Amino acid sequence: GIQVEQSPPDLILQEGANSTLRCNFSDSVNNLQWFHQNPWGQLINLFYIPSGTKQNGRLSATTVATERYSLLYISSSQTTDSGVYFCAVAGSGGGADGLTFGKGTHLIIQP
Amino acid sequence: ETGVTQTPRHLVMGMTNKKSLKCEQHLGHNAMYWYKQSAKKPLELMFVYSLEERVENNSVPSRFSPECPNSSHLFLHLHTLQPEDSALYLCASSQEGGITEAFFGQGTRLTVV
Repeated sequence: GIQVEQSPPDLILQEGANSTLRCNFSDSVNNLQWFHQNPWGQLINLFYIPSGTKQNGRLSATTVATERYSLLYISSSQTTDSGVYFCAVAGSGGGADGLTFGKGTHLIIQP
Repeated sequence: ETGVTQTPRHLVMGMTNKKSLKCEQHLGHNAMYWYKQSAKKPLELMFVYSLEERVENNSVPSRFSPECPNSSHLFLHLHTLQPEDSALYLCASSQEGGITEAFFGQGTRLTVV
């Protein structure tokens, strides 16, 4: 099956800093999503981005499908940005594949 | 109510108990999923239902039994679980079986004692 690798696994930053999270995947994808998992476990949708670039406030994402990677940018970090960020993909085989998740990046923003 | 809702939010059960997790989606989607998140492991896909038919079972032990009575509801029936089954169980839904954006419920945190 498709492999998803996220880096870095852990990231500690000061409030106000910028960060870049990376997601590499091993095969063509029809779906790529970024999630933020809150302390209660819920996955919050950040971006649905199988290709191209999107921005939402301080967050933006870029997926280069031909090179099989995606980047999540967080600017002017706030303590509320802390948590685990997951990248998840679904392959191009079509049908009900479900999502394959990376292991996540654990982000800690210190005041 | 909107989105994907799961009940209960927390569940403690003994190894001989039988319990069920419930998921309901209000997004008009036609595919639903169960995922498991154990400590220090990636989220794992357990079951996929598309148009109310199971299309994938990722070698999940038979002590987990899914049921999808209609496109809006999904259940996970649990019986004779083991302590290692303690985890966060997440339900999700999407349209057209996974090639559009998926949305997740809040999860059920299960502890098997």
